[in-house]
Amino acid sequence: GAGVSQSPRYKVAKRGQDVALRCDPISGHVSLFWYQQALGQGPEFLTYFQNEAQLDKSGLPSDRFFAERPEGSVSTLKIQRTQQEDSAVYLCASSPADSLSHEQYFGPGTRLTVT
Amino acid sequence: RKEVEQDPGPFNVPEGATVAFNCTYSNSASQSFFWYRQDCRKEPKLLMSVYSSGNEDGRFTAQLNRASQYISLLIRDSKLSDSATYLCVVIPQSGNQFYFGTGTSLTVIP
Repeated sequence: GAGVSQSPRYKVAKRGQDVALRCDPISGHVSLFWYQQALGQGPEFLTYFQNEAQLDKSGLPSDRFFAERPEGSVSTLKIQRTQQEDSAVYLCASSPADSLSHEQYFGPGTRLTVT
Repeated sequence: RKEVEQDPGPFNVPEGATVAFNCTYSNSASQSFFWYRQDCRKEPKLLMSVYSSGNEDGRFTAQLNRASQYISLLIRDSKLSDSATYLCVVIPQSGNQFYFGTGTSLTVIP
């Protein structure tokens, strides 16, 4: 079956531009997570949705970052006025359960480069 | 102090060797633990869950030591295909976050 998909796979943005990253979770998965992974580091939590409700956004690094999942399926991570330090791979993961004690299935990520 | 500490390596081992990774965590109330594997420029994928009693899956053994607050992964009879980054994951009792370690890089050499 189809896994988690993300688009675009690669994005180059000039500093100051806004970007929108899309995540299509596995159909029927309740939970959706966004992570930021810098080179040589593990994924860092950004935000978590259960259906359409954003239950935790404590990992968003600044108010330039905004995520939504309006219909409880597709999610978009938006970064306004991009900065060079935003360059990273943005990973989306989904899980069928509303409990964290369950495997997360990751998408291939969007590699963002801010020049 | 970071929630999860992991030796980044790299570990370079010959085929057939046994190698072990450790990961320490700071929150004693953490409830769930996993090992994920991440190949170069790919997404992380679940390798195995870590249970209190320890668990084994073929050549892989995961253990949890709650008293010392660490989890470990042992790989026996290493294969070339085991070359990857191994990420430990810790989930606290409260909150909604997966805490990942920085990952340990393993290269198995022919």
